[in-house]
Amino acid sequence: LAKTTQPISMDSYEGQEVNITCSHNNIATNDYITWYQQFPSQGPRFIIQGYKTKVTNEVASLFIPADRKSSTLSLPRVSLSDTAVYYCLVGDTGNTGFQKLVFGTGTRLLVSP
Amino acid sequence: DAGVTQSPTHLIKTRGQQVTLRCSPKSGHDTVSWYQQALGQGPQFIFQYYEEEERQRGNFPDRFSGHQFPNYSSELNVNALLLGDSALYLCASSLRVGGPYEQYFGPGTRLTVT
Repeated sequence: LAKTTQPISMDSYEGQEVNITCSHNNIATNDYITWYQQFPSQGPRFIIQGYKTKVTNEVASLFIPADRKSSTLSLPRVSLSDTAVYYCLVGDTGNTGFQKLVFGTGTRLLVSP
Repeated sequence: DAGVTQSPTHLIKTRGQQVTLRCSPKSGHDTVSWYQQALGQGPQFIFQYYEEEERQRGNFPDRFSGHQFPNYSSELNVNALLLGDSALYLCASSLRVGGPYEQYFGPGTRLTVT
């Protein structure tokens, strides 16, 4: 499974756009890029997933360049409630067809008033 | 529609004891995975169950074992508890056939070993 590197922490203010970049230089052809969000004392929550180019949902956008060696999670107009840890994951179901998630240490986002 | 539920919420055990944690998957899901999350770290994959069989296993000793029941619920058992087993234990459910990597997590069980 591809290893990911992301900033340990980021600070922002309410109403700003936040971009968290994840590096995954050895991503494989079949790998998807997935982001999870985790609040203290809760389980992670799926945010968004993509394979290439841009994906957007009601929560966030995911930008993936053509070489797929990095990706950027974009959170528009953050609020205090977006303060959480954000995890970037890369991988696929592999030969088993089962979904094994490999988490790094994530990026701690702190949103201030 | 109930999401993933776990019990108990908190648990305190003594070194050497055994513990059983329980998980009910999201309605319609058939695959259950277990993760261990130490303070300040990301979740670490323990194992995954489908059709009542362990399908994948992470780098955890045999003291960690599990079971999946016909109704898809699951148990995690840890024997001979060590202080280092203190962590948040997360259960996640998903569909065997579905989009890669979209798993639904429960709130976790906080295990403290003294």
